[in-house]
Amino acid sequence: QVQLQESGPGLVRPSETLSLTCTVSGGSISSYYWSWVRQPAGKGLEWIGHIYSSGNTGYNPTDYNPSLKSRVTMSVDTSKNQLSLKLSSVTAADTAVYYCARVPSCGKYCLRGAFEIWGQGTMISVSS
Amino acid sequence: DIVMTQSPDSLAVSLGERATINCKSTQTILHTSNNKNYLAWYQQKPGQPPKLLIYWASTRESGVPERFSGSGSGTDFTLTISSLQTEDVAIYYCQQYSTPPYTFGQGTKLEIK
Repeated sequence: QVQLQESGPGLVRPSETLSLTCTVSGGSISSYYWSWVRQPAGKGLEWIGHIYSSGNTGYNPTDYNPSLKSRVTMSVDTSKNQLSLKLSSVTAADTAVYYCARVPSCGKYCLRGAFEIWGQGTMISVSS
Repeated sequence: DIVMTQSPDSLAVSLGERATINCKSTQTILHTSNNKNYLAWYQQKPGQPPKLLIYWASTRESGVPERFSGSGSGTDFTLTISSLQTEDVAIYYCQQYSTPPYTFGQGTKLEIK
């Protein structure tokens, strides 16, 4: 079955850029929306944004949470079946578990369900 | 942004009894184009990612026990567990996926009484 695995540095210095990867196994990343969600310890869930993987067209529309939009970049690498998240100028407030999740779609700008498959998450701490 | 508010924040229910969690959105998440409510419910246990239980407000995800059901439309929604089991102890979140940014409720902690 499809599995998602997030990976990242664990510890990031303040003001630096956080880079995370989500590797998808057991299925294609094409024709799905892929969301990133984070959760600070003991707190709730925050949607960071999503990207639609359109396959070979190279057009992968994104939506970002306005609260993070100026610092977030998402991309897909269909050859590696991977997604990536970059978050710049991090502060202690960005310390959290970061999840990637798959969302079924009926094409660009069309969801066919909710966040059906999640990775186990990767813990990111921002500290000097 | 659409704000999702759950009630109560915590809930203690006896084994075998019914548990009810409510979720309210600040604007409708019913799309008239397809008559679907873009509302999901997730269950999260300690150290685990959220697990999808219900989507389109009332469609049970494959493999989810029948004791879990969702209802509601527009701005008011409910998750019901008909007969609480020990493995249902968790935090439950509602989420709207109607309009980005997709937003979650603050969570409801469900315990055994």
